[in-house]
Amino acid sequence: AQKVTQAQTEISVVEKEDVTLDCVYETRDTTYYLFWYKQPPSGELVFLIRRNSFDEQNEISGRYSWNFQKSTSSFNFTITASQVVDSAVYFCALSEPNYNQGGKLIFGQGTELSVKP
Amino acid sequence: EADIYQTPRYLVIGTGKKITLECSQTMGHDKMYWYQQDPGMELHLIHYSYGVNSTEKGDLSSESTVSRIRTEHFPLTLESARPSHTSQYLCASSEWKLEAQYFGPGTRLTVL
Repeated sequence: AQKVTQAQTEISVVEKEDVTLDCVYETRDTTYYLFWYKQPPSGELVFLIRRNSFDEQNEISGRYSWNFQKSTSSFNFTITASQVVDSAVYFCALSEPNYNQGGKLIFGQGTELSVKP
Repeated sequence: EADIYQTPRYLVIGTGKKITLECSQTMGHDKMYWYQQDPGMELHLIHYSYGVNSTEKGDLSSESTVSRIRTEHFPLTLESARPSHTSQYLCASSEWKLEAQYFGPGTRLTVL
């Protein structure tokens, strides 16, 4: 069965520290997508990144970077030089099989990041 | 940037009332979804739709119902609200060939 595990329930850092959010997934499919979403206190989910299972290149977007490793079934998210505005709950998600037809996402439990000034 | 709207943003209502949560998107996305989420917790899919006249139940059993008469509109209805329905309800949409799901701002429902 498909499953996403975010083992870190809460993380607290001081501003300007680097922080890595872990995501481990389980799937029998060879083709799938992985996602990260941010949920600030306002409540809406903000799409951050989508990664194809065939593309293991790491990606960097400003202070955000993602490390995808199929060998360990992990898709970790690093924030460099964290800021107070990064405080949010972050969700990792996996697309369900037959993604072209279904498109359902399986979400992890979320990691609450608190960045203190 | 996605354009998906939900109304109301906040709703406090008494037990037994019928309510409809509205969700609209202006992107022409075929697929739409409803999730239920307790604050800071994981999301549970309760309904989804592949397109007009298509509705499916999600992974979490829900007493709510949905309809999809127009592409852009995917309302969720609770015939008789109960305190156990108190939660946040998030609507999302995506293109047919899976792209990211884009989420609305959510409706925080409190049933007294």
